[in-house]
Amino acid sequence: NAGVTQTPKFQVLKTGQSMTLQCAQDMNHNSMYWYRQDPGMGLRLIYYSASEGTTDKGEVPNGYNVSRLNKREFSLRLESAAPSQTSVYFCASSKGQGANYGYTFGSGTRLTVV
Amino acid sequence: GQQVMQIPQYQHVQEGEDFTTYCNSSTTLSNIQWYKQRPGGHPVFLIQLVKSGEVKKQKRLTFQFGEAKKNSSLHITATQTTDVGTYFCAGYLILTGGGNKLTFGTGTQLKVEL
Repeated sequence: NAGVTQTPKFQVLKTGQSMTLQCAQDMNHNSMYWYRQDPGMGLRLIYYSASEGTTDKGEVPNGYNVSRLNKREFSLRLESAAPSQTSVYFCASSKGQGANYGYTFGSGTRLTVV
Repeated sequence: GQQVMQIPQYQHVQEGEDFTTYCNSSTTLSNIQWYKQRPGGHPVFLIQLVKSGEVKKQKRLTFQFGEAKKNSSLHITATQTTDVGTYFCAGYLILTGGGNKLTFGTGTQLKVEL
């Protein structure tokens, strides 16, 4: 039972390069989320997808785009990476968008932009 | 905007001592969730509290939700080295325009010394 799978686990980018972070869940969850985690800042929501076919901005969407490819997959794209995007990125999923569901997180992608 | 604050930011204890982390919201929450993140790991869902004044226990962990549903606490009795990690609260806020939002606190990092 894999849960939420993120790839890659580590990545180093040069400023201005682009890349896509992949996320897939096998729990038949409806909602998926992308967070970034920086020291002392907790977890901040970048984008989320309440259900297949919908995406919405979170707290810190600038510099990112997302695609909900199907019910299982939710990708995060950095079009032109900046050093401020150095962070740990977590994908998460939940059964629904209601207030009764815990989130299941992936193991994270540690991204460094130089 | 809505904020969920946690104190303390760090806590060092001797093994066997108790530990408490507190979570406070500027607005009323529909529910609150608690997560644990081991060093180098990802957040793992622990529990959810929904009712005003609710108290739940998981072995040595006791979770409380305040009467006004604006604060919560996690208490660990007789800490062990396996308790090391960062504990996050996450408050669920129902938005006036519809939908809902899970806001994570900044976390309390617990270190346990032998």
